[in-house]
Amino acid sequence: DTAVSQTPKYLVTQMGNDKSIKCEQNLGHDTMYWYKQDSKKFLKIMFSYNNKELIINETVPNRFSPKSPDKAHLNLHINSLELGDSAVYFCASSQLTGEQFFGPGTRLTVL
Amino acid sequence: GENVEQHPSTLSVQEGDSAVIKCTYSDSASNYFPWYKQELGKRPQLIIDIRSNVGEKKDQRIAVTLNKTAKHFSLHITETQPEDSAVYFCAAAVGGNNRLAFGKGNQVVVIP
Repeated sequence: DTAVSQTPKYLVTQMGNDKSIKCEQNLGHDTMYWYKQDSKKFLKIMFSYNNKELIINETVPNRFSPKSPDKAHLNLHINSLELGDSAVYFCASSQLTGEQFFGPGTRLTVL
Repeated sequence: GENVEQHPSTLSVQEGDSAVIKCTYSDSASNYFPWYKQELGKRPQLIIDIRSNVGEKKDQRIAVTLNKTAKHFSLHITETQPEDSAVYFCAAAVGGNNRLAFGKGNQVVVIP
């Protein structure tokens, strides 16, 4: 009965590879987000989609490309992975201006 | 601006004492202020939130106060317990209230 789920939970890969992280929410929310949490625990928003439309796109390298096939899913594809991409990536969802529910996180390690 | 500043960055308290974390924000249009708790290796989870039409909200041992004039809000935890040890994030709705700006987090350590 998970509200916000992400796969995979752990991802270890080599520099230069391309990888995807998937997110799904069953809360009926209109808005979904991707956050990056680095080793210092800072939570930085990367993208936000509302009803499949991109509404927030922070200063993120264009190697990162979100895709929302429907309002319950928001995937994150990363091309040409770099060491600095290592972090925990959290998906979240909300009704606009309401509580954000976070997924369990995906720990990405780039070697 | 849409900055949220949070301090102190680390707070150690004896079990049973109170803990207070303060945040300031810069967007005067912000009207929603949630607090999230993140335990080690877990996801951030909402513990309490407040909207700009009230000055204080309480839920058992946790309370939040909001001063809109001064643009600051605080989290108060009373009778702290070891399970309160975690990183706490404040946030404010910004950008027309369509997203949250998070503070940098505060590591609270409750010493048994």
